Amino acid sequence: QKEVEQDPGPLSVPEGAIVSLNCTYSNSAFQYFMWYRQYSRKGPELLMYTYSSGNKEDGRFTAQVDKSSKYISLFIRDSQPSDSATYLCAMSARNSNYQLIWGAGTKLIIKP
Amino acid sequence: DVKVTQSSRYLVKRTGEKVFLECVQDMDHENMFWYRQDPGLGLRLIYFSYDVKMKEKGDIPEGYSVSREKKERFSLILESASTNQTSMYLCASSWGRTGIYGYTFGSGTRLTVV
Repeated sequence: QKEVEQDPGPLSVPEGAIVSLNCTYSNSAFQYFMWYRQYSRKGPELLMYTYSSGNKEDGRFTAQVDKSSKYISLFIRDSQPSDSATYLCAMSARNSNYQLIWGAGTKLIIKP
Repeated sequence: DVKVTQSSRYLVKRTGEKVFLECVQDMDHENMFWYRQDPGLGLRLIYFSYDVKMKEKGDIPEGYSVSREKKERFSLILESASTNQTSMYLCASSWGRTGIYGYTFGSGTRLTVV
């Protein structure tokens, strides 16, 4: 079993829809949770990060962490075709020297 | 605009060749990383470095080595390329070890070994 599980998709939704992307994890020591976006033929770029539990909002994006369920989510409101990309979750813990553990990524397609 | 630059976007090499992948960052970051990315497997860490002349093995170091002679440059070496090393290689750098300040990635090198 992988430490971080993420549905590879593709997830296809119409423009304007609310998108929910999720990761589950098994290591309860994870403290830092990140979402990266990767466009085709590009490297990943950091979208959002959260420390421990709770929500964080940045424009149309909301990151949510539920440590009791070992579950993190990224919500995208009013989705746009430019949001079409692969979204990767990543997380780290102090007891593993903060090495990032990555999900495999979910491919998201926003249809105009 | 700060960036990480990888020397080649596409490379085709023959089995048994020694391959050098170069990465340069202009952000004065201490930390640098080499990953490979394969469909369904996500990002896997090959080697990383927290300082000049320092290197640490990641999850899949076999068949690879690295060199960091200068702070801004981190090279990945495939000692004897094999077909199972065909992959997308991504270099990244960061300021903080937690990653919350963000890893800055290069655009990647797609290596094909024939």
